Amino acid sequence: EPEVTQTPSHQVTQMGQEVILRCVPISNHLYFYWYRQILGQKVEFLVSFYNNEISEKSEIFDDQFSVERPDGSNFTLKIRSTKLEDSAMYFCASNQMGFTNEKLFFGSGTQLSVL
Amino acid sequence: DQQVKQNSPSLSVQEGRISILNCDYTNSMFDYFLWYKKYPAEGPTFLISISSIKDKNEDGRFTVFLNKSAKHLSLHIVPSQPGDSAVYFCAASKTGNQFYFGTGTSLTVIP
Repeated sequence: EPEVTQTPSHQVTQMGQEVILRCVPISNHLYFYWYRQILGQKVEFLVSFYNNEISEKSEIFDDQFSVERPDGSNFTLKIRSTKLEDSAMYFCASNQMGFTNEKLFFGSGTQLSVL
Repeated sequence: DQQVKQNSPSLSVQEGRISILNCDYTNSMFDYFLWYKKYPAEGPTFLISISSIKDKNEDGRFTVFLNKSAKHLSLHIVPSQPGDSAVYFCAASKTGNQFYFGTGTSLTVIP
């Protein structure tokens, strides 16, 4: 069964450094998402992306965050200057029909630790 | 804004018995609800969903019940198996908008 893949599985960085989290969505999917889960808290929506532009973002997704689809397969989340509170598990997800009654397919996540 | 709440962080059930996981929501505009299951070191995987026009949806051992007046949904697993041990997230959305997730309930099925 096709799956969403994320790399790396773990990322450790120093506060203030830039990080790029990478995702390869399922190939025939058109909508891409980033979610995150801070330890012990809910899974939170960050951003959705369709047709090479952001379609929706949450208040968490401030100017320090950006997303890009640099080629036909990768979907990246960049955090420009990491803060301690950015430490979380970041999940990429994709689906074909966006925010309709269709499930999301999630990757296995990147655990980001900001020191 | 905790629009979706799972008030039980953990649940232990004997193998073969019923597991009942609960979820409450605050936004009456939500019209689609899902349950996801998550194993350690994996991403959430879709389990079962229900739209607001129904009050029950069944898929094998898994049944989701929706009580719109109480803004409550539950997931029943019968019979529970050790492989069901995982974290279960409920999620809700209004069509065309983002999904809101709960904090998860960790289910342990004891052999």
